[in-house]
Amino acid sequence: DAGVTQSPTHLIKTRGQQVTLRCSPKSGHDTVSWYQQALGQGPQFIFQYYEEEERQRGNFPDRFSGHQFPNYSSELNVNALLLGDSALYLCASSFSSTYEQYFGPGTRLTVT
Amino acid sequence: SQQGEEDPQALSIQEGENATMNCSYKTSINNLQWYRQNSGRGLVHLILIRSNEREKHSGRLRVTLDTSKKSSSLLITASRAADTASYFCATGFSGSARQLTFGSGTQLTVLP
Repeated sequence: DAGVTQSPTHLIKTRGQQVTLRCSPKSGHDTVSWYQQALGQGPQFIFQYYEEEERQRGNFPDRFSGHQFPNYSSELNVNALLLGDSALYLCASSFSSTYEQYFGPGTRLTVT
Repeated sequence: SQQGEEDPQALSIQEGENATMNCSYKTSINNLQWYRQNSGRGLVHLILIRSNEREKHSGRLRVTLDTSKKSSSLLITASRAADTASYFCATGFSGSARQLTFGSGTQLTVLP
């Protein structure tokens, strides 16, 4: 049973560019959450998707957007990249009826 | 900003000793979870405790929750070198229980 997978593993972008990160949830999970983790900090909640809709959103600007597909996989898009967007981006999946979240290995984004 | 704060920020112990980490939070919660992260990789769910529970056990882990003091502790007994990792507490608020808010973590080093 595959766990949560994310792609790509690493990514280097230039300021002002746009990036798309991808996530496949654990088998059977229908809810996907995205987190940003800066170096030395705990993850910060970006948003959560369920039934292809954004269900909850953290304190992130509109440059951060997402999508969930019918197969429950998800994408995170970040526009107009800033140096401060450099971080580890974590995807987590869960059942809509439970609280425990299962995390993927993350995508390391570097903005130069 | 981080909701919970772990204490201590770093902890170094010998193999076989017990490790205790504490977490404080600010607002009413629905649940509190502990996660482990190895070297900037994905987080692994360890244990969940609900707001109406006071103590929970899982293998060598024991979690306590004191909602009157808005605090929790994680005890790892008979620690092993493989327990070396960062440990985070994450809270699910009442009303948005599936939106996790993480603390800044405790870096645990277990010396062989």
